[in-house]
Amino acid sequence: QVQLVESGGGVVQPGRSLRLSCAASGFTFSTYVMNWVRQAPGKGLEWVALISYDGNNKYYADSVKGRFTISRDNSKNTLYLQMNSLRPEDTAVYYCARVAISGSFGDYWGQGTLVTVSS
Amino acid sequence: EIVMTQSPATLSVSPGERATLFCRASQSVSSNLAWYQQKPGRAPRLLFYRASLRATGIPARFSGSGSGTEFTLTISSLQSEDFAVYYCQQYNNWPPLTFGGGTKVEIK
Repeated sequence: QVQLVESGGGVVQPGRSLRLSCAASGFTFSTYVMNWVRQAPGKGLEWVALISYDGNNKYYADSVKGRFTISRDNSKNTLYLQMNSLRPEDTAVYYCARVAISGSFGDYWGQGTLVTVSS
Repeated sequence: EIVMTQSPATLSVSPGERATLFCRASQSVSSNLAWYQQKPGRAPRLLFYRASLRATGIPARFSGSGSGTEFTLTISSLQSEDFAVYYCQQYNNWPPLTFGGGTKVEIK
């Protein structure tokens, strides 16, 4: 069965960096587009970034453009999110989600990892 | 950017009753709309895509409809496990992919 397991969250000071990972299993990772979506405490869902199946195309929300980098290692079945220059407003649960073949929506989601940006 | 607006923000419904949730797009998204259910402390779960196509394992009491700018999610007879927050998301015109603010379905 499809499994997505995020890791790498934690407490970090403003201005510092953090890298999230998402380990995928149960499907052919290299053939799927992947996504990061976040959710601030008590708030709704916010799309963060998307990467094509081969890593050649990447898209970002304006709120993270220039600070966050999405990448993937298809040999390791792993998705990454490198987060630099973190701000308190980046505090959220970060979910990785597999993007469906039939459209850019998430058909399977990980359990999320919490990132807290605070001094 | 396409703005998605959900209403109402909170819906109080008794078990066994019908619930109707609305999602409006600031411009046409054709039928490229998904619905998700999220329970406290859990990841979102896909309910519908293409506005009305039920995802795997979703019970028939859930139905989705609409196209263009107006969409509806209906739960015909609410069960205890259906009390949750529901989000719509458009994927017609991106980036960015955009979500509505959510509708919380609570027990009346």
